[in-house]
Amino acid sequence: GEDVEQSLFLSVREGDSSVINCTYTDSSSTYLYWYKQEPGAGLQLLTYIFSNMDMKQDQRLTVLLNKKDKHLSLRIADTQTGDSAIYFCAESYYGNNRLAFGKGNQVVVIP
Amino acid sequence: EADIYQTPRYLVIGTGKKITLECSQTMGHDKMYWYQQDPGMELHLIHYSYGVNSTEKGDLSSESTVSRIRTEHFPLTLESARPSHTSQYLCASAPGGSGGAGELFFGEGSRLTVL
Repeated sequence: GEDVEQSLFLSVREGDSSVINCTYTDSSSTYLYWYKQEPGAGLQLLTYIFSNMDMKQDQRLTVLLNKKDKHLSLRIADTQTGDSAIYFCAESYYGNNRLAFGKGNQVVVIP
Repeated sequence: EADIYQTPRYLVIGTGKKITLECSQTMGHDKMYWYQQDPGMELHLIHYSYGVNSTEKGDLSSESTVSRIRTEHFPLTLESARPSHTSQYLCASAPGGSGGAGELFFGEGSRLTVL
């Protein structure tokens, strides 16, 4: 089945940039996603990128997609304490009817 | 803000009890999903539905069952809970159709502890 790999933990100082990486396996995925999970809550979609794009910027968020290496990254500029959360990348399969999630990356922002 | 609700948020029960985790959404979404999230954070799809009277097993084998009698309601039932069922259960929904970005809207989760 689909396999999405992520590193597990990242600490970053408030105001610095943070970068979270992810690799995926299904080259036919139409969309790739970044979800955020705050403590005690469900997941919330942060941003997504269409598979024929290389980059997408959305305010403090920049998504980079390297299709050749099947590598996806999320850069958060000017990281704030409210950015402390678990971040999941995900790829769509079965015609966008299902999502496969990575293991998640916990980001801790140090004031 | 997503309109998808899960109850109970927290449940502690003894082994052998039957439990039902409720999930309701008011967005008229055709697709609904149950994910199990283990302490290592990873999410596993255990059940999904593409509409009324449609239910399918997900990627992770589960002893739970689901039903979809109404569009807005997708309950998950464990007939006889065991300690191995201790986990966080997340419900999600998405609009129907194969187009679009396939965004999932998640509930806040039900944390189940079986003693």
